[in-house]
Amino acid sequence: SQQGEEDPQALSIQEGENATMNCSYKTSINNLQWYRQNSGRGLVHLILIRSNEREKHSGRLRVTLDTSKKSSSLLITASRAADTASYFCATLKADSWGKLQFGAGTQVVVTP
Amino acid sequence: EPEVTQTPSHQVTQMGQEVILRCVPISNHLYFYWYRQILGQKVEFLVSFYNNEISEKSEIFDDQFSVERPDGSNFTLKIRSTKLEDSAMYFCASSEAQGQGLTQFFGPGTRLTVL
Repeated sequence: SQQGEEDPQALSIQEGENATMNCSYKTSINNLQWYRQNSGRGLVHLILIRSNEREKHSGRLRVTLDTSKKSSSLLITASRAADTASYFCATLKADSWGKLQFGAGTQVVVTP
Repeated sequence: EPEVTQTPSHQVTQMGQEVILRCVPISNHLYFYWYRQILGQKVEFLVSFYNNEISEKSEIFDDQFSVERPDGSNFTLKIRSTKLEDSAMYFCASSEAQGQGLTQFFGPGTRLTVL
């Protein structure tokens, strides 16, 4: 089964606006992590939220998790041109210790 | 800040050749992983490794693949006889432990091109 499907697939916003992207998954999870990837580069870890948590903040990032709906959202506030990247959610399933399952990602473009 | 490193950044090889991709995980981490990302596709889990053993592997990780921790710092992925469809970005990751609260830190990747 597919895990970690993000929407929208692409998002284009102006600097200063907020960017919101969503992730849905199908099975029970241990945690959900968000990563950023600049074009052709490595994955940078942004934030991890555990299955018993509902919301976490890190700087301009806010992540929510609704396990009843099997969904998560990532909000980037006051976006900057440097936030232009692809954003992926990755879930650690409840029956796994280390196998992260990634979604297809949301491509975010922030224009000055 | 400690980080995962990978070498080479780009590897070009002929179909049928063996390749070894190298990774140096973060020094106090105990769990190591390989993932791959075919161009335009999702990041896919290949294998996890702990205490000199594979702890979990995906269906992609067939007999053509092997992993090794040859010394106290390196972690390698070997592809025995490369195929065109092995062309991808390969990411190494490491974590302090496994389970609910543990972050996996990724390296910058090795882009493998099989001709």
